[in-house]
Amino acid sequence: GQQVMQIPQYQHVQEGEDFTTYCNSSTTLSNIQWYKQRPGGHPVFLIQLVKSGEVKKQKRLTFQFGEAKKNSSLHITATQTTDVGTYFCAGPGTDSWGKFQFGAGTQVVVTP
Amino acid sequence: DTAVSQTPKYLVTQMGNDKSIKCEQNLGHDTMYWYKQDSKKFLKIMFSYNNKELIINETVPNRFSPKSPDKAHLNLHINSLELGDSAVYFCASSQVMLAGDSNEQFFGPGTRLTVL
Repeated sequence: GQQVMQIPQYQHVQEGEDFTTYCNSSTTLSNIQWYKQRPGGHPVFLIQLVKSGEVKKQKRLTFQFGEAKKNSSLHITATQTTDVGTYFCAGPGTDSWGKFQFGAGTQVVVTP
Repeated sequence: DTAVSQTPKYLVTQMGNDKSIKCEQNLGHDTMYWYKQDSKKFLKIMFSYNNKELIINETVPNRFSPKSPDKAHLNLHINSLELGDSAVYFCASSQVMLAGDSNEQFFGPGTRLTVL
């Protein structure tokens, strides 16, 4: 079955630095979503990518969908303490509608 | 107004008890989900309902029984609670469930279940 893998699992970042989290799927994805979960909170939708090679920006966040639609990345520039949280990618399953499979998440800790 | 609400927020109970978690969405969405998030933050889908009909039933013990009285509500009943059921349970909803459509999921605040 489809697997969505995310690396790294943990990311310690100095405030002001950049970092990237990666998402890889064992199968081609029709789309991929990214969510952010603050500590103690719930996942909140950030973005959905649909087209091959698509790049979308939200302020300091840059999301990319691979050409083969099997991988994606989230790059954050000039990290701030508000970026703390866990970032998940999620892709729809190939066997069931609505069955989104979430990656294991990247837990981001920002040190001032 | 809260888009997706869950009650209770915290639930502490003894092994063997039966408990329910309620979920309501006021977004007019057709699809609702239950997810389980373990201590390692891993989010796993348990059930998905579309217009009150069960669409996805993952390999979840049959002690877990979802019920959707209408498309705005999806409740989760758990029988004979076990220690391993301790987790945060999230309800979510989306407008559509077809892959490729804009199917952003809106999550509720979560219910932290602790089984002693």
